[in-house]
Amino acid sequence: EAGVVQSPRYKIIEKKQPVAFWCNPISGHNTLYWYRQNLGQGPELLIRYENEEAVDDSQLPKDRFSAERLKGVDSTLKIQPAELGDSAVYLCASSPRRWGASYEQYFGPGTRLTVT
Amino acid sequence: QKEVEQDPGPLSVPEGAIVSLNCTYSNSAFQYFMWYRQYSRKGPELLMYTYSSGNKEDGRFTAQVDKSSKYISLFIRDSQPSDSATYLCAMSAGTGGFKTIFGAGTRLFVKA
Repeated sequence: EAGVVQSPRYKIIEKKQPVAFWCNPISGHNTLYWYRQNLGQGPELLIRYENEEAVDDSQLPKDRFSAERLKGVDSTLKIQPAELGDSAVYLCASSPRRWGASYEQYFGPGTRLTVT
Repeated sequence: QKEVEQDPGPLSVPEGAIVSLNCTYSNSAFQYFMWYRQYSRKGPELLMYTYSSGNKEDGRFTAQVDKSSKYISLFIRDSQPSDSATYLCAMSAGTGGFKTIFGAGTRLFVKA
C-alpha cells in the first residue's frame, strides 16, 4: 500500500512569492491533516479535513494561507505571500477513521520550505 | 508553559543500552498518549500508543503512562544504531476530532 505522497519535497522561494504544496493521502482515508513543523519542534496542526470539509482550521493563518481538498482526496496548501517566518517543513497526514483517531495518523515525508 | 514538555537532548548512548525518553504534560484531559519516531528528512512514524494509564510493550519498546504525575515514558531495550532518530511524544484528549499535541522531540544517537 502506498503511503502519503507529498510534493515537492523541497522548495526555495523569495519572500512575498506564492507557493503551493500538494498531498495525496492513503487511498480510502477520509481524514486529512496539514501540519507545520519548525526546526527543533513538533508538528503543529494547521487544518484538518473530513472528506472535503475543513472541520478545524483555527490554527491556519487565513490572511496568507489557504487550503482545499476537492473531491475529498488530494489536497493543496497555499501560502501567498510567503514570509521569512514561514520557513518550515509542511507535513500532510491522513487517517482511515472518520474524525481521525489521534492514534492513527500516517504522515507523508513533508515539504521543506525555505523562504529567503 | 507548553502543554507538553520534552527534553530535546541530544541523548547519546552506546549500542545495547537501555534508553529512557520522557515527557511531562499539564492538561489532565489527555487520554491517548503516542510515541512517534522521526528519521532525518522523513515524516513521523507511529511507534505505539497507550490509552489512559498503564504500560504497553511491543518488542524492544515499552511505553508507560503515569497520569497522576502527568508523566509518560518510552523505554528502548537493547538499543541499535538504527534507533537513532528523533522521538516525539504526542497526546490527545480523545478521538472524534480532538487535536493531537506533540512534544518538541528528543534526538537520540545510538553509537555502534
